[in-house]
Amino acid sequence: DSGVTQTPKHLITATGQRVTLRCSPRSGDLSVYWYQQSLDQGLQFLIQYYNGEERAKGNILERFSAQQFPDLHSELNLSSLELGDSALYFCASSSSPSLTPYEQYFGPGTRLTVT
Amino acid sequence: AQSVTQPDIHITVSEGASLELRCNYSYGATPYLFWYVQSPGQGLQLLLKYFSGDTLVQGIKGFEAEFKRSQSSFNLRKPSVHWSDAAEYFCAVGGELGGGSNYKLTFGKGTLLTVNP
Repeated sequence: DSGVTQTPKHLITATGQRVTLRCSPRSGDLSVYWYQQSLDQGLQFLIQYYNGEERAKGNILERFSAQQFPDLHSELNLSSLELGDSALYFCASSSSPSLTPYEQYFGPGTRLTVT
Repeated sequence: AQSVTQPDIHITVSEGASLELRCNYSYGATPYLFWYVQSPGQGLQLLLKYFSGDTLVQGIKGFEAEFKRSQSSFNLRKPSVHWSDAAEYFCAVGGELGGGSNYKLTFGKGTLLTVNP
């Protein structure tokens, strides 16, 4: 158990819909990272937050957004969903603000299926 | 841009045999290197990491990895594989995003390990 929690575990929704994935980092970790894992693209970095502020963006679509709240939990919002958005979404946390290479601890993931 | 190549998509070994999973990276500066393992339906668990210093690093579950700068490699090894090691293994390189002040992980595509009894 990494200490990172993600809800829900599974999510099935229809195209065009909007969903919110939730992540609680390890106690004391200020950085939260979101990743998408799909069969064709592998594990891709989406976005990072540190102590409530966006720190870095990766291959995140404009239809996707995230935020980190004062209690440090984070939410990833996916809108206008397409079949191709079906994937496993991971949250990871670290104690680093990203200026040093601390390891990231991953949650169990949310499996999103878009039908 | 940083990248990671794991040349072997799928490897099968017998229980008790030795294991080596290959990882090659591309990064312009000194890389920070990681190996993660993902069991079915689970998240990624960190096996070991290399930041600096001794190029042979020890990790959990009896795994080790060796950083070879001249070959841009960070291969994962285990002398004797157990059935419970069956999983997918990911190599990752940590490096800066543009701007010089942000750092992210770039993952390889993974190597699926099957262990035969």
